[in-house]
Amino acid sequence: GESVGLHLPTLSVQEGDNSIINCAYSNSASDYFIWYKQESGKGPQFIIDIRSNMDKRQGQRVTVLLNKTVKHLSLQIAATQPGDSAVYFCAEFPSSNTGKLIFGQGTTLQVKP
Amino acid sequence: GAGVSQSPRYKVAKRGQDVALRCDPISGHVSLFWYQQALGQGPEFLTYFQNEAQLDKSGLPSDRFFAERPEGSVSTLKIQRTQQEDSAVYLCASSLPSRPFSGNTIYFGEGSWLTVV
Repeated sequence: GESVGLHLPTLSVQEGDNSIINCAYSNSASDYFIWYKQESGKGPQFIIDIRSNMDKRQGQRVTVLLNKTVKHLSLQIAATQPGDSAVYFCAEFPSSNTGKLIFGQGTTLQVKP
Repeated sequence: GAGVSQSPRYKVAKRGQDVALRCDPISGHVSLFWYQQALGQGPEFLTYFQNEAQLDKSGLPSDRFFAERPEGSVSTLKIQRTQQEDSAVYLCASSLPSRPFSGNTIYFGEGSWLTVV
């Protein structure tokens, strides 16, 4: 069946360090991937995305890496801040023509001051 | 409002009770989605509307779940004869464009937290 996300359930980092959150996906036909941040009591918030014709994309303090050979996705957060504490989900769009996002189970990022 | 609005934010229902959850999308957004998020899990797709047309309802877990968007704006997710396994956060999202989608055009609400006792 379809699934996205194998991960460490919780990642604890020191403020100022870099964070790396990993995700594995199983649908090799997927061509679009998204990282979301979800704070307690809120809905998922878009962070960054990447299409399958790319292997790296950078945003502000965040970088997403895609390795299609091993079907692995990662989110790197530079200089992690307390405000980065949240649950992070990778999500897969099997086809951008449908509304169906497939989410992984999430990684909780805890930032220690 | 500026974002996707959902109500009620919290609902406690007795097993067997019917519930209705409302979603007010961002004004003018064509596409609307419902997701179910169980505690400690990622959201799972339920259904998708383009205007008033329900184009995909493949994620609805049973015939007790029903969604509608009769005028192409507000949507209601109805759960009949609720069961304990229905306890979850129900997330609504909307998007201005229709297909194809991209992540930065889809906006999620804060969810309706349903607890069935």
